[in-house]
Amino acid sequence: QSALTQPPSASGSPGQSVTLSCTGSSSDIGSYYYVSWYQQHPGKAPKLVIYEVSERPSGVPDRFSGSKSGNTASLTVSGLQPEDEADYYCCSYAGSNKYVFGAGTRVTVL
Amino acid sequence: QLQLQESGPGLVKPSETLSLTCTVSGDSISGTTYYWGWIRQPPGRGLEWIATIYYTGSSFYNPSLKSRLTISLDTSKNQVSLKVTSVTAADTAIYYCARVNVLAFDSWGQGALVTVSS
Repeated sequence: QSALTQPPSASGSPGQSVTLSCTGSSSDIGSYYYVSWYQQHPGKAPKLVIYEVSERPSGVPDRFSGSKSGNTASLTVSGLQPEDEADYYCCSYAGSNKYVFGAGTRVTVL
Repeated sequence: QLQLQESGPGLVKPSETLSLTCTVSGDSISGTTYYWGWIRQPPGRGLEWIATIYYTGSSFYNPSLKSRLTISLDTSKNQVSLKVTSVTAADTAIYYCARVNVLAFDSWGQGALVTVSS
């Protein structure tokens, strides 16, 4: 059960879009439609922003969108706002009631 | 409104057993819809899934930690507990409990920092 691969950092100016990648394997992302994304501000608990690859929980702005192709999932944040500056973690179901997280991407709003 | 609150010792000595409790309010852990789980985050590092449990008591563990873990439910107190045996400095982390819904962690507690040190 290896961790999912995420780039360590990404950045964008206010109003721009940023897309974060999350690469797994045929044992996790490639096999299941259960990829979720979490936003974590410093000193705070993670917050679910995307589940089932592209679904947004109630209250999450539609600026957040998700997708998947093969073994790679992506999170796009459109119309970047200062409050979007945070760490973002992907997570995939890996079968047999197991889960695997990525190492996280730090998003900086320039 | 769902709330999860972790509690634990704060400081544990190496080789001892770490015990954590998550008190759930606003939902019943005996319900059939959700699972309940634990995730940890070492200081300055990423998230790691530890364990998940269903109301039936069926439990599931991270293979890399399985031999040292026990997750359990106390339905009378609406609590989810986690025990980690033979701790080392590598177990120093913030431990979060969370509700599992459609195979995602949709609600999280604030976390409990546990430091392993003599």
